[in-house]
Amino acid sequence: KQEVTQIPAALSVPEGENLVLNCSFTDSAIYNLQWFRQDPGKGLTSLLLIQSSQREQTSGRLNASLDKSSGRSTLYIAASQPGDSATYLCAVAYNFNKFYFGSGTKLNVKP
Amino acid sequence: EAGVAQSPRYKIIEKRQSVAFWCNPISGHATLYWYQQILGQGPKLLIQFQNNGVVDDSQLPKDRFSAERLKGVDSTLKIQPAKLEDSAVYLCASSLGQNQETQYFGPGTRLLVL
Repeated sequence: KQEVTQIPAALSVPEGENLVLNCSFTDSAIYNLQWFRQDPGKGLTSLLLIQSSQREQTSGRLNASLDKSSGRSTLYIAASQPGDSATYLCAVAYNFNKFYFGSGTKLNVKP
Repeated sequence: EAGVAQSPRYKIIEKRQSVAFWCNPISGHATLYWYQQILGQGPKLLIQFQNNGVVDDSQLPKDRFSAERLKGVDSTLKIQPAKLEDSAVYLCASSLGQNQETQYFGPGTRLLVL
């Protein structure tokens, strides 16, 4: 059974801090891994997609890394802003784009 | 480009009643997904369509849940009869194909079963 775990479940930081969100998965034979953002009452927005052959992806202040051998991915957010407050979800695809989601990390960036 | 549309946005029903949700994916997207997201958890895939065919429905409780995508465009998810534990947000997503591509999500339908 594929399991995806995200730690911590919640995180509160002051504005301007750099932070790291963690995602671990039990089966390393993945096709890709995707990080999403979810705002309250809204759907998910894709942030970064890492193919199994890649080690990292970057978009603006966001950087996601993938280490298949250890079953881990991290999402690095630089210079956090209050607008970054949301729940961040990690999803792992094993085949045909079937994603297994973690429970998410709820981030609060304080002004 | 219009995003994934879902309706209704909210629904409150009593247990044993029936309910249906509608999803219109992004134009040209062949793959459509329905997810169930219970409060505090990540989304769980219920069913995946490729055009009008079912690719995966292994986690769909088929005794009460059904879904169709007859013309390979929009889709309907039905629950009959509903149980208290079906209270959740039902998310629809679509992607261009099924080969490790980005999924685009709709705003979801929040269901409360009393």
